[in-house]
Amino acid sequence: SSELTQDPAVSVALGQTVRITCQGDSLRSYYASWYQQKPGQAPVLVIYGENYRPSGIPDRFSGSRSGNTASLTITGAQAEDEADYYCNSRDSSALYVFGTGTKVTVL
Amino acid sequence: QVQLQESGPGLVKPSETLSLTCTVSGGSISSYYWSWIRQPAGKGLEWIGRIYSSGSTNYNPSLKSRVTMSVDTSKNQFSLKLRSVTAADTAVYYCARETYIAVDFNTGYNWFDPWGQGTLVTVSS
Repeated sequence: SSELTQDPAVSVALGQTVRITCQGDSLRSYYASWYQQKPGQAPVLVIYGENYRPSGIPDRFSGSRSGNTASLTITGAQAEDEADYYCNSRDSSALYVFGTGTKVTVL
Repeated sequence: QVQLQESGPGLVKPSETLSLTCTVSGGSISSYYWSWIRQPAGKGLEWIGRIYSSGSTNYNPSLKSRVTMSVDTSKNQFSLKLRSVTAADTAVYYCARETYIAVDFNTGYNWFDPWGQGTLVTVSS
């Protein structure tokens, strides 16, 4: 089945910008959605579609896509952005697949 | 706003059937897809499958032989059954509402929102 590959971990200095990437063949056809998950909590949708933010999600979160790669950018990272982030998209076999996840540390 | 709540046994014996229910409140279950997603401790998310309010289903091929989903619109609930469980099925199980928008014939985007809080199911004798 298809996979969505993410870097296992990234770090960012407080107030700086970090980009989290998600690679997979399905992303050439389908946009990714992105989820933030803090320890012991359910995932929360932060970006979907071309670059849509649900109500309540700060505008420092943005999304983009190029070729087989989707990206989530946090511009001006805050301490509360420290979390695991997962991408998700349609898949040719499993219908939906999640990325492997990226742990974001805010220094 | 719409809220989801998972319920069911937290402990299931190996080879038995895991059964969970997700109750939707604050909105109707009709005209949406509803998914089950699981997460083993310390690991990533796995999409299990989905059911439409009409009862139409799609399952992850890796679990298809053991999964059955159903919906009860009168109770605003949908359910998951996973047969012949093993320790590998120990995980936090989430329910979530899915929305898919088709941009054109072969492209589009989906999202899962909202999610339930999740329920831990342990498979152990």
